[in-house]
Formats: sequence, C-alpha cells, structure tokens
Amino acid sequence: EPEVTQTPSHQVTQMGQEVILRCVPISNHLYFYWYRQILGQKVEFLVSFYNNEISEKSEIFDDQFSVERPDGSNFTLKIRSTKLEDSAMYFCASSWFVGGSTDTQYFGPGTRLTVL
Amino acid sequence: GIQVEQSPPDLILQEGANSTLRCNFSDSVNNLQWFHQNPWGQLINLFYIPSGTKQNGRLSATTVATERYSLLYISSSQTTDSGVYFCAVEETSGSRLTFGEGTQLTVNP
Repeated sequence: EPEVTQTPSHQVTQMGQEVILRCVPISNHLYFYWYRQILGQKVEFLVSFYNNEISEKSEIFDDQFSVERPDGSNFTLKIRSTKLEDSAMYFCASSWFVGGSTDTQYFGPGTRLTVL
Repeated sequence: GIQVEQSPPDLILQEGANSTLRCNFSDSVNNLQWFHQNPWGQLINLFYIPSGTKQNGRLSATTVATERYSLLYISSSQTTDSGVYFCAVEETSGSRLTFGEGTQLTVNP
C-alpha cells in the first residue's frame, strides 16, 4: 500500500539554525499538508499546499516557515531560525482531491525536531 | 473556527472489554477521520467517515452528521489497542483537519 514517507525521523538542532524537513507524499495525490504536535498536546495544522501554492495556513505558520515542492515527488518544510518552542513532531500528509473536496488525509510517520 | 471535543479524556480497560469513544464537533464538516497514535507517535488512519457507519475488524465507527457527533467502537480490546485516539474534522470552508484533544486508552492484560 502506498504511504507517505518523511526524513529524517529525528533531527536535533541548535536554536537559530535553519532546518529542512522532507516528505515524499503518495504519488498521484494533489493536496499536501504539514501538521505539528508538541509533546503531550494535540495535532495542529500548519499549512496546506495545492497546485504549487499555499492553499491555507494557520496563525502558527509565520514568516519563519516556508514550504516548497522542489520536484515532482518531494515536499519540504523549512524553518529559517529555529526557536526552543519549535520542538515538536512534524507530520506531513497528502490527499487526493475528489468532486471538489479533499479525500482521506494520509499521514507520514513524522519527524521529531528537538531544538537545543 | 470549528471546535472538536472528545470524551472521555482517559479510559482504562481490561483486555477483552468493549468501549465507545465520542467526538462532538461544532459545525458542518466535509471530512471526519479517526486516528490511533501508537506509542512511537505514528498516526494510523482508522476511518474516513464524514457520515454513516463503517466497520474494520474489531473497530467500527458511526458519524451522525446532522447531530454533529461521531462514535468509535472498540470491541474485545487488546493491549495493542493502547494509545491515543484522535478525531479530526475538515470544515466545509477549508482543507485543514482540526483535531480533538484525544482519548488516552490503556488496555491492561
């Protein structure tokens, strides 16, 4: 069964450093997403991406964050200058688009980001 | 934005018991999904169920969209069912999933 993959599984970085989290969505899916989950809390939406542009973003997704689909298979989340509070599990997801609305969102295994 | 409430927040069962988890949401939705987050943090899709009833083995789910709630049934629970169960909904006005706080399920042998 096709699945969403993410790399790395765990990343440790120093405060102020840039990090890039990578995702390979399910091929033939058209909608891509990033979510995050701070330890012990619920999952929060960051951004959705469709047709090579941001479709929707949350208030968390400020100027420090950016997303890109650099080629036909990868989808990346960049954090320009990491803060301690960026420490979280970051999930990538993808979905098909059917009849004017999105279908099931499939989640990757996550990247655990630790900012020291 | 839409509000998603899950109950109970915590549930402890003996192996073999049945349980019902509830998800209430405050507005109309395009999509509702149930997830199981395992001890390694992975979010496992259980159901895509904006309305109606579905079954998958020992798990089943029902969503009554007109009354804005969904139920997840777990029968004959096993220790491997332990973890956090999340309900997430997609509003009609967007594509984001809004998650509830989750139900922490512990199944003891």
